[in-house]
Amino acid sequence: GEDVEQSLFLSVREGDSSVINCTYTDSSSTYLYWYKQEPGAGLQLLTYIFSNMDMKQDQRLTVLLNKKDKHLSLRIADTQTGDSAIYFCAETGNTPLVFGKGTRLSVIA
Amino acid sequence: DTEVTQTPKHLVMGMTNKKSLKCEQHMGHRAMYWYKQKAKKPPELMFVYSYEKLSINESVPSRFSPECPNSSLLNLHLHALQPEDSALYLCASSQVHLSGNTIYFGEGSWLTVV
Repeated sequence: GEDVEQSLFLSVREGDSSVINCTYTDSSSTYLYWYKQEPGAGLQLLTYIFSNMDMKQDQRLTVLLNKKDKHLSLRIADTQTGDSAIYFCAETGNTPLVFGKGTRLSVIA
Repeated sequence: DTEVTQTPKHLVMGMTNKKSLKCEQHMGHRAMYWYKQKAKKPPELMFVYSYEKLSINESVPSRFSPECPNSSLLNLHLHALQPEDSALYLCASSQVHLSGNTIYFGEGSWLTVV
């Protein structure tokens, strides 16, 4: 079946940039998403990108998509302590939403 | 407004109890979803309702019974649950159930089965 892979942990210093990476296998993926989950909370949609785009920027967030390599990344500029959370990459193509295992971002003050 | 509201936020129930989780959205979405999330894991799809009809059941045990009374409401009825069913239950909605329709999640209901 379709698979989405992410590294499990990332630690950055406050003020630095964070880059969270994701790879997926579904060549029919049409939309790719980043969700943020803070402790004890639900999933917050951060941003998404359509598969015919290669970049999307939204304030501190930059999403890069390399469709050839099936690689997606989320860059958070000027990372703050409030950005500490689990970030899930997800894709949808011909199947319902498929999630990666999530990357736990820790921000060190 | 992209809000999906879930109640209760926390629920503790015994294995012989019957309880329900409720979900509401007023975005005019015609697809609604139940997901289950265990600690340190991604959400797993349980059910999809499309235009108030059940369209996907991911082989969920019958002790979980979904219901969609109207296009804004989604319930999950719980009966004879097991301790391993303790998890965060997330409701979500999208405009329709098609690829590319963004799915919005609620804050979840934390369920503990004792």
